[in-house]
Amino acid sequence: DTAVSQTPKYLVTQMGNDKSIKCEQNLGHDTMYWYKQDSKKFLKIMFSYNNKELIINETVPNRFSPKSPDKAHLNLHINSLELGDSAVYFCASSQEWGRDGYTFGSGTRLTVV
Amino acid sequence: GQNIDQPTEMTATEGAIVQINCTYQTSGFNGLFWYQQHAGEAPTFLSYNVLDGLEEKGRFSSFLSRSKGYSYLLLKELQMKDSASYLCAVRSYSGGGADGLTFGKGTHLIIQP
Repeated sequence: DTAVSQTPKYLVTQMGNDKSIKCEQNLGHDTMYWYKQDSKKFLKIMFSYNNKELIINETVPNRFSPKSPDKAHLNLHINSLELGDSAVYFCASSQEWGRDGYTFGSGTRLTVV
Repeated sequence: GQNIDQPTEMTATEGAIVQINCTYQTSGFNGLFWYQQHAGEAPTFLSYNVLDGLEEKGRFSSFLSRSKGYSYLLLKELQMKDSASYLCAVRSYSGGGADGLTFGKGTHLIIQP
């Protein structure tokens, strides 16, 4: 069983489109995250969310919005895609204050053309 | 803000030992993590330190000095499969519990025969 699964694995789309990436975890973790890894392989947090609060990295454009239908899911919706949004997006989950690390999904490679 | 520094690239020989250093500056420190990431794959959890000292886990060990803002990852008996990027990441306490990790830019480790 995959612990953190995200779909799609690859996404190619045109500028200006709206797209969503789905993420699900079956680990029973309290908190989920979205990270962006750019072309230089720098991994940067975008959002963290548990049932109490959403923490948004202030550098993330408001075209990006997380949506959580329940504790096991945190989807990422992106409006009006731009060329600079091309990157690999990783979903992750963890127990609150856990010492067992954050478990990452396999990533979604987004290419905006 | 947070600042995490680690070397960009290191080279080592199969069977040898390598130490990857990481220095950080943060407020509200609440743990330091090391991750391994092979090209095109998700980061995978290696180790966690929150108190000063050495944590050993098989061929991998991680050390933390909170007063110095310093950690290292020690890899012993290097194997070709250890060629990967190694990411140092810090968790800081914001009071809410949904705290993500701030990553360094990663150290690309090349293992030579």
